[in-house]
Amino acid sequence: QKEVEQNSGPLSVPEGAIASLNCTYSDRGSQSFFWYRQYSGKSPELIMFIYSNGDKEDGRFTAQLNKASQYVSLLIRDSQPSDSATYLCAVNPAGGTSYGKLTFGQGTILTVHP
Amino acid sequence: ETGVTQTPRHLVMGMTNKKSLKCEQHLGHNAMYWYKQSAKKPLELMFVYSLEERVENNSVPSRFSPECPNSSHLFLHLHTLQPEDSALYLCASSSTKTGNTIYFGEGSWLTVV
Repeated sequence: QKEVEQNSGPLSVPEGAIASLNCTYSDRGSQSFFWYRQYSGKSPELIMFIYSNGDKEDGRFTAQLNKASQYVSLLIRDSQPSDSATYLCAVNPAGGTSYGKLTFGQGTILTVHP
Repeated sequence: ETGVTQTPRHLVMGMTNKKSLKCEQHLGHNAMYWYKQSAKKPLELMFVYSLEERVENNSVPSRFSPECPNSSHLFLHLHTLQPEDSALYLCASSSTKTGNTIYFGEGSWLTVV
């Protein structure tokens, strides 16, 4: 069973702090990795994707990938109350399909308190 | 405004009813998906259509029947559902030209009574 594991939280951080969200995956051949944000009652919204080992930064968000450890993380700097949401990690497994076929984690609930 | 639109946004149906969910993507993508999101469970992939051909059917009960008449439209036909089928049904699309990043619609909240 190919799985994606996330700590369901809730993770609570104060406004202005760094929020660190973690994800591990079981399929060692996985090729691409995605972070989605989902507000309560809404659909998932893509934040970032990462394909290569290392860090990828986009504004206040940094995705980190370590394929050897099968680990991907999302850092949110200067966290704001509006960042409070569920963050979903998704992995596109190995297989060479011509379409996306994401396996999602259960999501981590993040709460940023003023 | 999302590039993937779903209707209806909310649906309540009895177990003997037949209804359909509709999805339309305006992004020029060539793959479309149905996902199911239930409380306390990860998003589950139900069906994938790539170039209008069904390429994935993840052991979904036959009471769910997808239809993809063209690359922009996707339907999910529902009949004789069970209360445990109540969930958020998400349509999504992607393109092989843009790395197959998946973009979701707003979802259809389904309640089976």
